[in-house]
Amino acid sequence: RKEVEQDPGPFNVPEGATVAFNCTYSNSASQSFFWYRQDCRKEPKLLMSVYSSGNEDGRFTAQLNRASQYISLLIRDSKLSDSATYLCVVWGGGGSNYKLTFGKGTLLTVNP
Amino acid sequence: DAGVTQSPTHLIKTRGQQVTLRCSPKSGHDTVSWYQQALGQGPQFIFQYYEEEERQRGNFPDRFSGHQFPNYSSELNVNALLLGDSALYLCASSLPGPGEQFFGPGTRLTVL
Repeated sequence: RKEVEQDPGPFNVPEGATVAFNCTYSNSASQSFFWYRQDCRKEPKLLMSVYSSGNEDGRFTAQLNRASQYISLLIRDSKLSDSATYLCVVWGGGGSNYKLTFGKGTLLTVNP
Repeated sequence: DAGVTQSPTHLIKTRGQQVTLRCSPKSGHDTVSWYQQALGQGPQFIFQYYEEEERQRGNFPDRFSGHQFPNYSSELNVNALLLGDSALYLCASSLPGPGEQFFGPGTRLTVL
């Protein structure tokens, strides 16, 4: 089983649509959770951290369910500028584990 | 405030050669991690340096080695290059804990 698994995508949606990304992780000892965004041929950049209580940043909402080891990201009212690859990321996982573990990423294209 | 910088931006090598990639962390950061990103995949953790020592290593062979200098900058060395080493190599800097890692623009390595 892969450490972090995401929807394979790609997702193609019209402007204004709502889109949801799902992710599961295998290490129950993982300590921190993130969504990163990566534009084509650029470096990953933090979109938002994910907390157990759920958190929102404008049009973006992230949820974490530790019991089922599941992370989600919801984008409302999609913009053309949201087109990118979205990476589900976990940090840590017991002992001396300081690394970020990335999912494969899900490509989103928002169409006019 | 300069972010994470990497050099060179692009590199072309032939099989069997050796390569050195360089990274300067974001001001105030003392921890440097290196990742390899193959086309269509998420970044894979190579190793992390903290206090000039390798603190954690991913599943990469000994051909991959690194170093951290007193000013926190870091090098990644790859010996005996293989075609499969062609990838985007990303450096990320952070503080030692579970927070955000900031990525540099990467070095795109092509092995012919």
